[in-house]
Amino acid sequence: RKEVEQDPGPFNVPEGATVAFNCTYSNSASQSFFWYRQDCRKEPKLLMSVYSSGNEDGRFTAQLNRASQYISLLIRDSKLSDSATYLCVVHNYGQNFVFGPGTRLSVLP
Amino acid sequence: EADIYQTPRYLVIGTGKKITLECSQTMGHDKMYWYQQDPGMELHLIHYSYGVNSTEKGDLSSESTVSRIRTEHFPLTLESARPSHTSQYLCASSLTGTNEKLFFGSGTQLSVL
Repeated sequence: RKEVEQDPGPFNVPEGATVAFNCTYSNSASQSFFWYRQDCRKEPKLLMSVYSSGNEDGRFTAQLNRASQYISLLIRDSKLSDSATYLCVVHNYGQNFVFGPGTRLSVLP
Repeated sequence: EADIYQTPRYLVIGTGKKITLECSQTMGHDKMYWYQQDPGMELHLIHYSYGVNSTEKGDLSSESTVSRIRTEHFPLTLESARPSHTSQYLCASSLTGTNEKLFFGSGTQLSVL
């Protein structure tokens, strides 16, 4: 079993739709959680950190459930420019970052 | 924007050549990493360094080697390139701390003919 797992995707949604991505992690000692965005043939870029209380950045909302070892990302009012692969990343202090396999999103006109 | 730079951006080279992929960061980060990624596939950690003169192999076995003589510089070398080495190589860095985040360079797309 992989240490970080994500919805397999791809997600094909129309513009304006709301889409949610799920991620689970197996290491209960994990301390930091992130969502990265990766465009085709580009480097991953930090989209947002995920905090225990949940956090929002514009159309993006991230939530963390430590008891269930579950992380989510909600995108409201999808734009064409949101099309990318979304990577769930988990980190434990003193260890390396662990990446999920990614979930590909295509927002269609 | 992250201040981490990779050169070259693209490299096409023949089999058997020795190559060095450059990676430098100006953020004073103590940790640096090399990842390998094929199109549409997952990222794989191949090397990492927690500081000067410290290098470790990652989760994916690689024939490449790395060095960390200076904090800001983390080059990756392939002594004899083969077509199986064709891939994207991504360098990243982070600063140890409670708010540690990972930043990536733009990557080097390597094609070995």
